[in-house]
Amino acid sequence: NAGVTQTPKFQVLKTGQSMTLQCAQDMNHEYMSWYRQDPGMGLRLIHYSVGAGITDQGEVPNGYNVSRSTTEDFPLRLLSAAPSQTSVYFCASSYTHYSNSPLHFGNGTRLTVT
Amino acid sequence: DAKTTQPNSMESNEEEPVHLPCNHSTISGTDYIHWYRQLPSQGPEYVIHGLTSNVNNRMASLAIAEDRKSSTLILHRATLRDAAVYYCIRNRRTGNQFYFGTGTSLTVIP
Repeated sequence: NAGVTQTPKFQVLKTGQSMTLQCAQDMNHEYMSWYRQDPGMGLRLIHYSVGAGITDQGEVPNGYNVSRSTTEDFPLRLLSAAPSQTSVYFCASSYTHYSNSPLHFGNGTRLTVT
Repeated sequence: DAKTTQPNSMESNEEEPVHLPCNHSTISGTDYIHWYRQLPSQGPEYVIHGLTSNVNNRMASLAIAEDRKSSTLILHRATLRDAAVYYCIRNRRTGNQFYFGTGTSLTVIP
């Protein structure tokens, strides 16, 4: 099993450009989520999904969109990139959305917005 | 506040036990306590989780206070590969919304 796969690993954008960060899992997990990690701030939850067709906002959703059309994929869209979105982005999944279900993380996408 | 309180950093000698504390004084009765660790340039990795009683697995042990307001992650014999940032998280019963704090940076001294 590949687990949670994120692409690309690195990306540089200019202010105002749009892009999609891809996340796929092959574990048939019900729950998927996106986090961003900034220096000294730990991880912050952006959006999450408890199943195909269902998404919800986390702590810091502004500037990001998500959709969940399949169980496997949970892309994160930046509509108009801003320098404040420079960060490392992690996708995570778990078997269920119940709190005793551990998260499995991808290896991250490092995004720089100039 | 859903986040927990941990010391910013700790040191341990190699092959000695390490006790990493966490305070979660506002935890509710159905919140699970999870621990993750993050090595440099990698995503967080699950370590252990529990609700009320102490838990053991191949990586670590988790000791939960009787009032559940604090917990301790125990690494029985620290190795150099255990050097990482350790996050303690309280997780609500539904929604699986993990709120990470800044964690404890563990340095293992050879």
